[in-house]
Amino acid sequence: DIQMTQSPSSLSASVGDRVTITCRASQSISNYLNWYQHKPGKAPKLLIYAASSLQSGVPSRFSGSASGTDFTLTISSLQPEDFATYYCQQSYSTWTFGQGTKVDIK
Amino acid sequence: QVQLQESGPGLVKPSETLSLTCTVSGGSISSNYWSWVRQPPGKRQEWFGYIYSSGSTNYNPSFKSRVTMSVDTSKNQFSLKLSSVTAADTAVYYCARVWAPRSGGWYFDLWGRGTLVTVSS
Repeated sequence: DIQMTQSPSSLSASVGDRVTITCRASQSISNYLNWYQHKPGKAPKLLIYAASSLQSGVPSRFSGSASGTDFTLTISSLQPEDFATYYCQQSYSTWTFGQGTKVDIK
Repeated sequence: QVQLQESGPGLVKPSETLSLTCTVSGGSISSNYWSWVRQPPGKRQEWFGYIYSSGSTNYNPSFKSRVTMSVDTSKNQFSLKLSSVTAADTAVYYCARVWAPRSGGWYFDLWGRGTLVTVSS
């Protein structure tokens, strides 16, 4: 299976900060990389699909990019509602997930 | 809007079969792909596979020998059965809708809140 290595596993940030989360695939996955936000007790939410496409209704402060097998989720200006855990997921073959990045308040 | 809700026993005995149902409300189960994902405590999510509303399936090879998915369009529900469970199958189980663009790169565009299933005697 394709391994997805996400970093960092956690980070502390303040409202207004720019936050970057990275996901590295163990082999080429084209742009078949998606990002989700998950808050405790709630349904996970799709943020970005196909590496850089913003899901409808998701604020434009979220963006995704790709470079080879490295993928990045950026939150341009962290808002109070953005404190959550973020996951990447590849759908190139036998779908797998990153281990998650927990974003909490500094 | 479309919502998903998982249901089923919260406690299953070792060696038995775990059975969960996902009810789709606010929309039709037809002409869509549906999936199951779980997250064991302290571990990353694991994908079981997906089922189309017609009943065709694609299972993760890691679970293929133990998993069965089915769909009941009359009830707007789809289900997961996982046989021969052990404590390692203790997890929060999620159902999700799969969006399948023709260009490839499928993704989960809608999720349920998840249900905790504990495997213990």
